[in-house]
Amino acid sequence: NAGVTQTPKFRILKIGQSMTLQCAQDMNHNYMYWYRQDPGMGLKLIYYSVGAGITDKGEVPNGYNVSRSTTEDFPLRLELAAPSQTSVYFCASLAGEYTGELFFGEGSRLTVL
Amino acid sequence: AQKVTQAQTEISVVEKEDVTLDCVYETRDTTYYLFWYKQPPSGELVFLIRRNSFDEQNEISGRYSWNFQKSTSSFNFTITASQVVDSAVYFCALSEETSGSRLTFGEGTQLTVNP
Repeated sequence: NAGVTQTPKFRILKIGQSMTLQCAQDMNHNYMYWYRQDPGMGLKLIYYSVGAGITDKGEVPNGYNVSRSTTEDFPLRLELAAPSQTSVYFCASLAGEYTGELFFGEGSRLTVL
Repeated sequence: AQKVTQAQTEISVVEKEDVTLDCVYETRDTTYYLFWYKQPPSGELVFLIRRNSFDEQNEISGRYSWNFQKSTSSFNFTITASQVVDSAVYFCALSEETSGSRLTFGEGTQLTVNP
């Protein structure tokens, strides 16, 4: 039972570098989300998707991009990493609107130096 | 716009005490959903409960109970006879019908249960 799988779990980037956080779910969920959690804070929505080919911005999309070419995968791209993007990133999925709980991945801890 | 406020940043109790975590929300929608999540020190997020705006019945699950009051826009969470394993950050979250299942989280309450 893989659920939502995020890779990598840890990463250190230098300022200006780019990288992609991978997220895959094997539950055939239509809805997928990327959140970031800064130290001691709640989760902020970066981007979300309601199905393959459809993505939309959340509260804090600047500096990020996403794509959703398949139902299973929802990668998050960081372009030109900045120290302000140091955070823990959580990917989550949901079977359908209001159907129940969000399934979260284990998180990816990113540090930008 | 939806908003969730958890005014208690940190709470510390001694084992076996009862503790209530407060959650106040703001929304213009008449249909919305409220959630509680637990984040233990290991970092994962664990779903605890989902409640829709039309169901104001209080819920009890073991030592956990939830008090939903639309009149005060609150969805408080009580742990009875707290245990050390309850130590975690607890998040309240809100989803409006018009927001496409996007959850807005509160800032969280760090609960520490001391032996």
